[in-house]
Amino acid sequence: NAGVMQNPRHLVRRRGQEARLRCSPMKGHSHVYWYRQLPEEGLKFMVYLQKENIIDESGMPKERFSAEFPKEGPSILRIQQVVRGDSAAYFCASSEKTGLNEKLFFGSGTQLSVL
Amino acid sequence: EDKVVQSPLSLVVHEGDTVTLNCSYEVTNFRSLLWYKQEKKAPTFLFMLTSSGIEKKSGRLSSILDKKELFSILNITATQTGDSAVYLCAVDTSGTYKYIFGTGTRLKVLA
Repeated sequence: NAGVMQNPRHLVRRRGQEARLRCSPMKGHSHVYWYRQLPEEGLKFMVYLQKENIIDESGMPKERFSAEFPKEGPSILRIQQVVRGDSAAYFCASSEKTGLNEKLFFGSGTQLSVL
Repeated sequence: EDKVVQSPLSLVVHEGDTVTLNCSYEVTNFRSLLWYKQEKKAPTFLFMLTSSGIEKKSGRLSSILDKKELFSILNITATQTGDSAVYLCAVDTSGTYKYIFGTGTRLKVLA
């Protein structure tokens, strides 16, 4: 029973390049959430998606960041024209449904380093 | 602004010691409080607390919530080196997914 799978574990990009982070939710889970963890800070909510729909992107920067969860395949968090401030750990979480007191299961994260 | 504050920021103990980790919160809409253990990156779920005064227990770990004083504690008894990790507290303000996380308590247990 595989958990939430994220890849790559580590990603190095130069300023101006694109970063693409992937997340496969737990089997049977159709709700995906992305969080970002900056050094010495807590995890911060970015975006919540269901299959083919963005439900809430209120925590995601309006520019350069986008997310998708296609009908087939993993969820993708895309960061265009990365800057040094994008360096962080990006965590994906999933849940079977969303509702009162539904807990999230997290992946191991992707550590993005921007040179 | 909603916030979750954990203390201490870090803690070093010896095997066999008992530790108490604190989490206080100020949020406009409280649904539940969760504890996660983060070691080697992946936060793993420990407890979800919704009601005051009811202790949740799992082996050597236990947690309790005080909704009047707006805090929770996580206790670990007879600590082991495998307990070394960052312990995260989060408050769910929406009943769904928008967790507000604290910065965590880094626990190191020495043999």
